[in-house]
Amino acid sequence: SQQGEEDPQALSIQEGENATMNCSYKTSINNLQWYRQNSGRGLVHLILIRSNEREKHSGRLRVTLDTSKKSSSLLITASRAADTASYFCATEGLSGSRLTFGEGTQLTVNP
Amino acid sequence: DVKVTQSSRYLVKRTGEKVFLECVQDMDHENMFWYRQDPGLGLRLIYFSYDVKMKEKGDIPEGYSVSREKKERFSLILESASTNQTSMYLCASSVSQGGYGYTFGSGTRLTVV
Repeated sequence: SQQGEEDPQALSIQEGENATMNCSYKTSINNLQWYRQNSGRGLVHLILIRSNEREKHSGRLRVTLDTSKKSSSLLITASRAADTASYFCATEGLSGSRLTFGEGTQLTVNP
Repeated sequence: DVKVTQSSRYLVKRTGEKVFLECVQDMDHENMFWYRQDPGLGLRLIYFSYDVKMKEKGDIPEGYSVSREKKERFSLILESASTNQTSMYLCASSVSQGGYGYTFGSGTRLTVV
C-alpha cells in the first residue's frame, strides 16, 4: 500500500529557482524521510524528520512536517541542473522500521 | 564508504527461468529489503528480513522468495520468471531500530522475455 503521495508528479524549473515538493500520508508515523533517485539508479537518503519535529534543514534542503495535516514539504533552494532527479517521500509507521514510499516527483532543472 | 551492492545492473532472462538477484551490504545492518519499482506504481515492498534466516512478506510477495543465510547477504529468487516481473529491483538495508534511513543499492533492471 502506498502511504505517501507526492505532489506534483512532475516539476520543471529554471536553474536558481526554488523547488517545492509536497507529500501527504494517511496514518500516524514515527518519522518521514526524503530520498533522491537519479535516472536508472538507486535511491539516496536525503533527510529524516521525526514526528515531534516541525522543520529541518540540510544544506539547500528544507523539510517541514505538519502531523495534524499529515503532510510534509521538501524545499530545494537555488536549484542546480544537477538537482534533476526524482524525489520520494517515505514514512516509517509506528510499528517499526519498515518504510512505505510514495510515487515520487520528477524534478527537472533547466540550465 | 558504506555500500549495498547488487550483483547485476542489467539482466535478461527467459520466461520460466529461475532467477537469483543478489544483494550484499558491508554495514553490518540487521534489516534488508527488496523492492520493485515500476512507472506509475512507485516502490513496492516484496520481502524483508530483520535477521539472519528470518523473512517477512511485503506487499507483493507472490512469485518471489528470499534467502538470508548470512547477515550481509539477502537474495531474491524468482521461482519461474514471467514477463510481468520485468522491472527495476532495488535492495536496501538499515539498522535494526527505526528512525534511520535506508541505504540502497544501484538497482538491477531485469527484463524477462
